[in-house]
Amino acid sequence: NAGVMQNPRHLVRRRGQEARLRCSPMKGHSHVYWYRQLPEEGLKFMVYLQKENIIDESGMPKERFSAEFPKEGPSILRIQQVVRGDSAAYFCASSPPGQAGNEQFFGPGTRLTVL
Amino acid sequence: AQSVTQPDIHITVSEGASLELRCNYSYGATPYLFWYVQSPGQGLQLLLKYFSGDTLVQGIKGFEAEFKRSQSSFNLRKPSVHWSDAAEYFCAVVRSDYKLSFGAGTTVTVRA
Repeated sequence: NAGVMQNPRHLVRRRGQEARLRCSPMKGHSHVYWYRQLPEEGLKFMVYLQKENIIDESGMPKERFSAEFPKEGPSILRIQQVVRGDSAAYFCASSPPGQAGNEQFFGPGTRLTVL
Repeated sequence: AQSVTQPDIHITVSEGASLELRCNYSYGATPYLFWYVQSPGQGLQLLLKYFSGDTLVQGIKGFEAEFKRSQSSFNLRKPSVHWSDAAEYFCAVVRSDYKLSFGAGTTVTVRA
């Protein structure tokens, strides 16, 4: 059973470009969470999604950031017009249905560098 | 609001020595508690978790943690560390909802 997959593992963008980060949850998991880890800090919650629904996006910056989890395909975290401050590691986690609040399984992360 | 505090930013320990990492949380009720480990450039791996029941929890890689309600603590311990235990360790809590709140992390260095 493959774990949570994230790609790309490393992404370099210039200021003003768009970044798309992908997350495929574990098989059978329908809950996806995105977290951001800034240098020298712990992970901070960004958004919680279920299939075709955003459940909680209270941790997302109000502008330039969006997330989706379509019926088919991976969850996407999209950052428009990236700035240097967006440089961070972005982690996706998933959990099974009916177990929100229990164990979340993490992917390896995408490390975004904005030049 | 709940918060997680890991008082030690960095700990250095000799291989074979014991290790204890501190974690304190602030929350009115008993939360779900977790310890994760992150090796350089890697994602997070769950070491152990506490939901209810026995307050001494056994995890993977020889780690254990003890929940102490009176002290609002969930400290992680290992009797004898190995060089491969060098990593960053995160304590986290979640309430009856879903958001994991992480501490800032403790970096463990193991010297030969």
